[in-house]
Amino acid sequence: GAVVSQHPSRVICKSGTSVKIECRSLDFQATTMFWYRQFPKQSLMLMATSNEGSKATYEQGVEKDKFLINHASLTLSTLTVTSAHPEDSSFYICSAREDGWTYEQYFGPGTRLTVT
Amino acid sequence: LAKTTQPISMDSYEGQEVNITCSHNNIATNDYITWYQQFPSQGPRFIIQGYKTKVTNEVASLFIPADRKSSTLSLPRVSLSDTAVYYCLVGEAFGNEKLTFGTGTRLTIIP
Repeated sequence: GAVVSQHPSRVICKSGTSVKIECRSLDFQATTMFWYRQFPKQSLMLMATSNEGSKATYEQGVEKDKFLINHASLTLSTLTVTSAHPEDSSFYICSAREDGWTYEQYFGPGTRLTVT
Repeated sequence: LAKTTQPISMDSYEGQEVNITCSHNNIATNDYITWYQQFPSQGPRFIIQGYKTKVTNEVASLFIPADRKSSTLSLPRVSLSDTAVYYCLVGEAFGNEKLTFGTGTRLTIIP
């Protein structure tokens, strides 16, 4: 089956620094990828839709200048958390929508971000 | 996207059949029903998808009544490894649009 990877799986950073998270579709092309955030014991919340070659679409309440998304190729999207603060500590999950007639979405394993 | 309602949590013993029901009263004609499973600190995993009546695969069955205002995920003979959160989503087939996750059902399997 289609595989989506994320890197890193865990990251700890100091408050005020920036962190980049990569999402890759390993064996398929994905024009569209999605970024979610999940706090402990809560559901996934969609942050933004990433489209290759164009600007990301952010959900209401998500700061686009704080969560920078770059979808530079059909297999890679990156999420950069800028000037991270402890409240940004969360589990970040991406999904990739396979190009083609099924448009099935596949989820990555997630990235645990801890800001100290 | 149609809003879904699921029980917050359920417990079951190993070897039993577990049925998790999801309500989606405002489901649209073009909407499909999709269930995902999520283990702690992992991304969601697709379980099953259906439009009406019954769908079965190697891991689960999905029962959808004629009015499609609810659906039931059935897990046969559960084991400890089925302990997870199960999400019911309603939308276009195979995530043709962005997915909206509800609260999910936290299923705990008891030995």
